[in-house]
Amino acid sequence: SYVLTQPPSVSVAPGQTARITCGGNNIGSKSVHWYQQKPGQAPVLVVFHDIDRPSGIPERFSGSNSGNTATLTISRVEAGDDADYYCQVWDSSSDHPVFGGGTKLTVL
Amino acid sequence: QVTLKESGPVLVKPTETLTLTCTVSGFSLSNARMGVSWIRQPPGKALEWLAHIFSNDEKSYSTSLKSRLTISKDTSKSQVVLTMTNMDPVDTATYYCARQHSGSFDYWGQGTLVTVSS
Repeated sequence: SYVLTQPPSVSVAPGQTARITCGGNNIGSKSVHWYQQKPGQAPVLVVFHDIDRPSGIPERFSGSNSGNTATLTISRVEAGDDADYYCQVWDSSSDHPVFGGGTKLTVL
Repeated sequence: QVTLKESGPVLVKPTETLTLTCTVSGFSLSNARMGVSWIRQPPGKALEWLAHIFSNDEKSYSTSLKSRLTISKDTSKSQVVLTMTNMDPVDTATYYCARQHSGSFDYWGQGTLVTVSS
């Protein structure tokens, strides 16, 4: 089955740029979605189809996807961005979704 | 306004069968290109996808849990039901239902914590 690999943790100072990666075999050929989850809350979609943002998500959140790595970039990081982030694709070979293991973003 | 809400028992005993209901509003379960998944999250751990039902009633299950899961829907009631048999303490988790649209999950329920304990 398809596997997505994320770093367990990323730390960044406020105002800096955070980059969270999601690795997978030829992931650039798939559509990648990203979710933010704060403690005690349900996940929230922040980027879909690699680069698109749902209504209400700040422009500071952006995505890219090429080769074997997709990246969620959060510019001008704020304290409120401190959360877990998950990547997800739909694996066409098994016809079901796959989630990455999640990355804990710590705002220092 | 799209909403999803999970309901079911908060406590089940080992070996029992868990039945969870997801009641949706703001969209129809027969809407093409949409479906509903069940996803769980053990305390402190990552999201784990369990099962999905498409608008045409096709179903998909996690390979590792397929033998224990059944997903179904009642379009007239706007409900999606998940049953999981032979519950074990390792199945203790928050269970979410989420709407799938074009491959992503754009709306999620608040989740329901299910504890498996005797």
